[in-house]
Amino acid sequence: NAGVTQTPKFRVLKTGQSMTLLCAQDMNHEYMYWYRQDPGMGLRLIHYSVGEGTTAKGEVPDGYNVSRLKKQNFLLGLESAAPSQTSVYFCASSYFAQPQHFGDGTRLSIL
Amino acid sequence: AQTVTQSQPEMSVQEAETVTLSCTYDTSESDYYLFWYKQPPSRQMILVIRQEAYKQQNATENRFSVNFQKAAKSFSLKISDSQLGDAAMYFCAYRAADTDKLIFGTGTRLQVFP
Repeated sequence: NAGVTQTPKFRVLKTGQSMTLLCAQDMNHEYMYWYRQDPGMGLRLIHYSVGEGTTAKGEVPDGYNVSRLKKQNFLLGLESAAPSQTSVYFCASSYFAQPQHFGDGTRLSIL
Repeated sequence: AQTVTQSQPEMSVQEAETVTLSCTYDTSESDYYLFWYKQPPSRQMILVIRQEAYKQQNATENRFSVNFQKAAKSFSLKISDSQLGDAAMYFCAYRAADTDKLIFGTGTRLQVFP
């Protein structure tokens, strides 16, 4: 049972490049989330989804886009990467009103 | 807006001793949930314990227990018989009952000395 799997685990980008982070869960959870974690700060919600085909903005959505074409996958896209987006990104999933299960994180560096 | 505050950036404890991590929160909601997550160096976020606001009884999970003071909006985590494997970042988190969005504190780094 893999739980929540994030791909890739590490990535280095140049300013202006684009990329997509993939999150996959095998627990049939309706809810999925993308967070970023910066030094000295807790996790902050970027975008989330309450079901297939739906997405919503979180606390810090600017510069990111998401898609939930399949229930088990939640994609986070950076169209034009900026150094301020250097961070560790976490995906999570859950049933409503149940604790969230987290992936192992993706460390993204933008030069 | 709801906020979660962890005022202790770092704490340390001797192995086998007890340590308490502090967390306060601000909300106008009456129904909500509180959580403590552990993040070891492996980066994985692990749920340690949860507390429902409508329950007066403090949650307990083995060596981990909470002191939930609803009126004071305080939610501290007590770790008894500390072990080397308890060394990690600990995050307090809040969720209102009518939403599934978590709000995290800034974390407390716990060091455990042999």
